[in-house]
Amino acid sequence: SYELTQPPSVSVSPGQTASITCSGDKLGDRYVCWYQQKPGQSPVLVIYQDTKRPSGIPERFSGSNSGNTGTLTISGTQATDEADYYCQAWDSSTARVVFGGGTKLTVL
Amino acid sequence: QVQLQESGPGLVKPSETLSLTCAVSGYSISSGYYWGWIRQSPEKGLEWIGTIYHSGITFYNPSLKSRVTISVDTSKNQFSLNLSSVTAADTAAYYCSRGLRSSISREGTYYYYYYMDVWGKGTTVTVSS
Repeated sequence: SYELTQPPSVSVSPGQTASITCSGDKLGDRYVCWYQQKPGQSPVLVIYQDTKRPSGIPERFSGSNSGNTGTLTISGTQATDEADYYCQAWDSSTARVVFGGGTKLTVL
Repeated sequence: QVQLQESGPGLVKPSETLSLTCAVSGYSISSGYYWGWIRQSPEKGLEWIGTIYHSGITFYNPSLKSRVTISVDTSKNQFSLNLSSVTAADTAAYYCSRGLRSSISREGTYYYYYYMDVWGKGTTVTVSS
């Protein structure tokens, strides 16, 4: 079955750029989206269709997807960006939603 | 503003059926989109359970398919989850969501995408006797 792999944790200093990766076989042939989840809250969509930002999501959030890796980039990271981030794709071969294991972003 | 609200028992006995409902406000289910369920065990990641279109088309996680039924009630603008023969492993926070599934053609091949743009606040279900 199709799998998405994320690093368990990423650390970044305030104001710096954070990059969170999501790896999967030929992931670039699929569309990736990203969710942010803060403690005690439900997930929030921050990137869809690889690169698009929903209304209300700050411009510092951006996404890319090529080859076997999708990437969520947070420029000028703020303390409020500290959260768990999940990538997600649609697996057409099995008609199912696939989530990555999640990455805990720590803003030091 | 679209809002989703989960409801149902917070405690279910082992071997029984877990039943949850998601009430949708601010949008008519009959107008489109997909409607789905996701769960999250304590300290763990997100697990997709399944999705339904207003027409009744369903997609289920293969690992849960034998125990899952998702249905929609357009007259009440809500959809439901039934998970049978539950065990302690089904203890989790359960979320309902609105999803968009479509495709884009690139060089003659269709590539599908699915993302969830609205989520409920979630409800915790514990399986215990």
